[in-house]
Amino acid sequence: AQSVSQHNHHVILSEAASLELGCNYSYGGTVNLFWYVQYPGQHLQLLLKYFSGDPLVKGIKGFEAEFIKSKFSFNLRKPSVQWSDTAEYFCAVNVRGKLIFGQGTELSVKP
Amino acid sequence: NAGVTQTPKFQVLKTGQSMTLQCAQDMNHEYMSWYRQDPGMGLRLIHYSVGAGITDQGEVPNGYNVSRSTTEDFPLRLLSAAPSQTSVYFCASSRPTSGGHLNEQFFGPGTRLTVL
Repeated sequence: AQSVSQHNHHVILSEAASLELGCNYSYGGTVNLFWYVQYPGQHLQLLLKYFSGDPLVKGIKGFEAEFIKSKFSFNLRKPSVQWSDTAEYFCAVNVRGKLIFGQGTELSVKP
Repeated sequence: NAGVTQTPKFQVLKTGQSMTLQCAQDMNHEYMSWYRQDPGMGLRLIHYSVGAGITDQGEVPNGYNVSRSTTEDFPLRLLSAAPSQTSVYFCASSRPTSGGHLNEQFFGPGTRLTVL
């Protein structure tokens, strides 16, 4: 079945540590890729998106993601996390007008 | 702009009751969608609409109906609520890119529904 997989369900880091969250999808053909963030008690907000062009995409708050077509991956990275990055992160893939989400990764950053 | 608004914020239903979750957007977005969020399962698409008068099913449409009579509104109806429909429901809207891709979706604040 077509799906979006996020490898880590819960990640715990100390402030200033580097972050990488994995995302793999199983769709062929053209896809649009997104990372959304949900801060505690809030609704989802867009971090970054990839449609075409440079596979390294920069988003808000120092986040970036790299699209590797051969690996069907779109991993999210941040060189140095802050306590305020504590949130749940969702990878999503647009397939023919439907946005399909991964299971989400909960990130806890210890001060 | 108010963005995407949802009412109610919280709702408790008994099994078998019906209700409508309201969603409205004031950004003149053509695309609107409904998701449910359950722990460990991310967000799953229930129904979506690419414009007034046009709706289609998502990943988990059973037990839910939608209609899109105006660009602004996209209500979600539960005809006979079941405990399995206990969830947080999010409405979202977006406009297509010039290439026909699905653009950034703007999410509402959510409705937390409990079915007893």
